[in-house]
Amino acid sequence: GQNIDQPTEMTATEGAIVQINCTYQTSGFNGLFWYQQHAGEAPTFLSYNVLDGLEEKGRFSSFLSRSKGYSYLLLKELQMKDSASYLCAVYDSNYQLIWGAGTKLIIKP
Amino acid sequence: NAGVTQTPKFRVLKTGQSMTLLCAQDMNHEYMYWYRQDPGMGLRLIHYSVGEGTTAKGEVPDGYNVSRLKKQNFLLGLESAAPSQTSVYFCASCLAGGPADTQYFGPGTRLTVL
Repeated sequence: GQNIDQPTEMTATEGAIVQINCTYQTSGFNGLFWYQQHAGEAPTFLSYNVLDGLEEKGRFSSFLSRSKGYSYLLLKELQMKDSASYLCAVYDSNYQLIWGAGTKLIIKP
Repeated sequence: NAGVTQTPKFRVLKTGQSMTLLCAQDMNHEYMYWYRQDPGMGLRLIHYSVGEGTTAKGEVPDGYNVSRLKKQNFLLGLESAAPSQTSVYFCASCLAGGPADTQYFGPGTRLTVL
């Protein structure tokens, strides 16, 4: 079966750095997405990785290791507005997006 | 440019009632999707469409029907609602469904079936 695992919940302090991990087992791989979802709102795109390595975009970075079936999202200089759920999703061999259950990130002052 | 819109935003149904959820996008996207999101679970694909006049089943299609008569609209129907269909429904669209093609989501419809 296809499976994406993420921690259910994480807590971090404003101004700090947090790393949210995602491991996947899917039938094929055509790229990995990270989305942000604030409570009661729609998911919004954060990043896309298809090759191994780190993609940096401002305070957010995303890393991929295809051989390990592993990705992480790194958030720096945390702000209160970063309190949200972070969803990991993988495009499988049929170009269907397989979604993880999401990681709820709580930021404390 | 409104992006992806969904109507209604909230709805309460009784078991056995029917309803239609409307999704509209103004980005000229070919692909459109209907997902449901339940607590503790990832988004699950109900049905999708790769172009006007086409539809296909996703992971959890039972109890739902869809139609894509116009490129910009994707309708999701519940013929006889059941409490298990209580969920948040999201519509999404993307340009062509290929690599790196980002899906854009509507604001969601919160459906409760009593």
